[in-house]
Amino acid sequence: DTGVSQNPRHKITKRGQNVTFRCDPISEHNRLYWYRQTLGQGPEFLTYFQNEAQLEKSRLLSDRFSAERPKGSFSTLEIQRTEQGDSAMYLCASSPGQGAVGELFFGEGSRLTVL
Amino acid sequence: KQEVTQIPAALSVPEGENLVLNCSFTDSAIYNLQWFRQDPGKGLTSLLLIQSSQREQTSGRLNASLDKSSGRSTLYIAASQPGDSATYLCAVSYNFNKFYFGSGTKLNVKP
Repeated sequence: DTGVSQNPRHKITKRGQNVTFRCDPISEHNRLYWYRQTLGQGPEFLTYFQNEAQLEKSRLLSDRFSAERPKGSFSTLEIQRTEQGDSAMYLCASSPGQGAVGELFFGEGSRLTVL
Repeated sequence: KQEVTQIPAALSVPEGENLVLNCSFTDSAIYNLQWFRQDPGKGLTSLLLIQSSQREQTSGRLNASLDKSSGRSTLYIAASQPGDSATYLCAVSYNFNKFYFGSGTKLNVKP
């Protein structure tokens, strides 16, 4: 068990470019979450997957944001046509499945800087 | 709207002090509450999780309590050390779909 893994750890991009982040959850965790955190704030919920099904999305997730979790394993978060306001830390978390108490385990995050 | 508030926003104490961090939430029908630690530029590390049926949880020098009726949780840190310096965040959930976070308390323990 190597914990939640996120890549890349840091991405610098120019406004208007597309970026994709990947999250590998703890094996056998069937719940996966994406959060966004800006400086000095707590994480804000973006989206939640149970296995491969995306069960909830935040209104913060505009049409430029999309997340997938094919086959219920790793997940990707894509941001199209990035804007400077997208600069933030993108955090992925996973949690054990049915019957468990729902404890969250986070990765180290992917920091996005949009120039 | 679910809101989670953490007070104080920042705290500076000398090494060895016992301290209490506070977390309040607007809707008391929580499923569970989790405390995290975050070091600068890093992800969140889980410290303690309290289920709605529990009143407190302990791990080493940390003790977290939960009072659902008043919408409050406290994290007690005994005999603080410089290595405890970090931001402490609480999060509440009402189902498995999402967790609501406070803005955190930034703790500085001075040697």
